[in-house]
Amino acid sequence: QMELVESGGGVVQPGRSLRLSCAASGFMFSNFAMHWVRQAPGKGLEWVALIRFDGTEKKYADSVKGRFTISRDNSNDTLYLQMHSLRAEDTAVYFCARGRYSYGVHYFDYWGRGVLVTVSS
Amino acid sequence: QSVLTQPPSVSAAPGQKVTIPCSGSRSNIGGNYVSWYHHLPGTAPKLLIYDNNKRPSGIPDRFSASKSGASATLAIIGLQTGDEADYYCGTWDTSLSAVVFGGGTKLSVL
Repeated sequence: QMELVESGGGVVQPGRSLRLSCAASGFMFSNFAMHWVRQAPGKGLEWVALIRFDGTEKKYADSVKGRFTISRDNSNDTLYLQMHSLRAEDTAVYFCARGRYSYGVHYFDYWGRGVLVTVSS
Repeated sequence: QSVLTQPPSVSAAPGQKVTIPCSGSRSNIGGNYVSWYHHLPGTAPKLLIYDNNKRPSGIPDRFSASKSGASATLAIIGLQTGDEADYYCGTWDTSLSAVVFGGGTKLSVL
């Protein structure tokens, strides 16, 4: 049974760093692109970053470019999001999602339940 | 603000039909395929539709979707109280080089 489980969230002060993890199971992790998507309180979904199945391509939303780094460990079926210089507006539930690619479009066929990151002094 | 536009809420009675619109522009919906997601706060979002109108296995045929120009629509027939959730449209934006979503529509089954 497919499962994605995020961890590493919590309360962090502005300007500090945090690393999120997403443990995957139930599918061949190394065959799939992976994404991070977030949802700020009371807001809609916002795509954050993607990483190709082999880690050779990464893309980021403009709102996190230069501050966040997506990475993966295919030997341990784990996705990461390293977040630096955190801001209050980064406060959100962060979801990891399995990516699919069809007709030039990325979409997400399985998601985790998310982990809350709160940036506050 | 979200790149794609959805109404904040829609409602309908059990057994009825509801449609949720999603509007964008030539750089996103107008030139790319659309996906739709179901989300109950506190749970994992779920893929409902991909490639404009295809349903993953396990999604009932009560859910359907279409696209015309720079707009897309999700339709749900035979509404059930268990359908109450937030629904999001999404696609790729060629100008932004990013996945974009609508702001989400809260469905109430009254």
